[in-house]
Amino acid sequence: GENVGLHLPTLSVQEGDNSIINCAYSNSASDYFIWYKQESGKGPQFIIDIRSNMDKRQGQRVTVLLNKTVKHLSLQIAATQPGDSAVYFCAEDGYSTLTFGKGTMLLVSP
Amino acid sequence: NAGVTQTPKFQVLKTGQSMTLQCAQDMNHNSMYWYRQDPGMGLRLIYYSASEGTTDKGEVPNGYNVSRLNKREFSLRLESAAPSQTSVYFCACGGVNTEAFFGQGTRLTVV
Repeated sequence: GENVGLHLPTLSVQEGDNSIINCAYSNSASDYFIWYKQESGKGPQFIIDIRSNMDKRQGQRVTVLLNKTVKHLSLQIAATQPGDSAVYFCAEDGYSTLTFGKGTMLLVSP
Repeated sequence: NAGVTQTPKFQVLKTGQSMTLQCAQDMNHNSMYWYRQDPGMGLRLIYYSASEGTTDKGEVPNGYNVSRLNKREFSLRLESAAPSQTSVYFCACGGVNTEAFFGQGTRLTVV
């Protein structure tokens, strides 16, 4: 079946750097995508979403970019902080369910 | 407003025992989901319920049953637990072209 995947399993950055987490999706019919953050021992928490009629959406310190031509999503975190250390998942809305990628662990060093 | 509440938070079972994981939401969403998460893996969908009275299989339904008791509650039952079912289980509500909200998880160990 079609699925969502990630390029990098672990990303290590220094505090203050910008972070970029990537995600590839394969279902060209998907029209809604979400990024989740999961801290150790907790459930996933919503960060930001984007619909297929957009190519960019900005939140507080986070930006999601969508390239439908190559079926690619990215999450950019500006001025990364130690509190951003977590596993980040992209999810693809399949009309009745969400399909998740395997996740990228972001490690932020002070 | 508690969001999504799962019980229990931790459980240890012996192989062959049965148990039910409970989930309740106070967000008035029609759709509810059960996922499992294994180390180093993403979340895999076990079952979902698009509305009260309906349930459907997800990616990994074998060994599980579900009940959508009412709009608020969606339970997951393991009839005969196996070590392969050791995992962290997450319940969620919402989704369907909007964000899904997750509970804090149930950490299940089957010995």
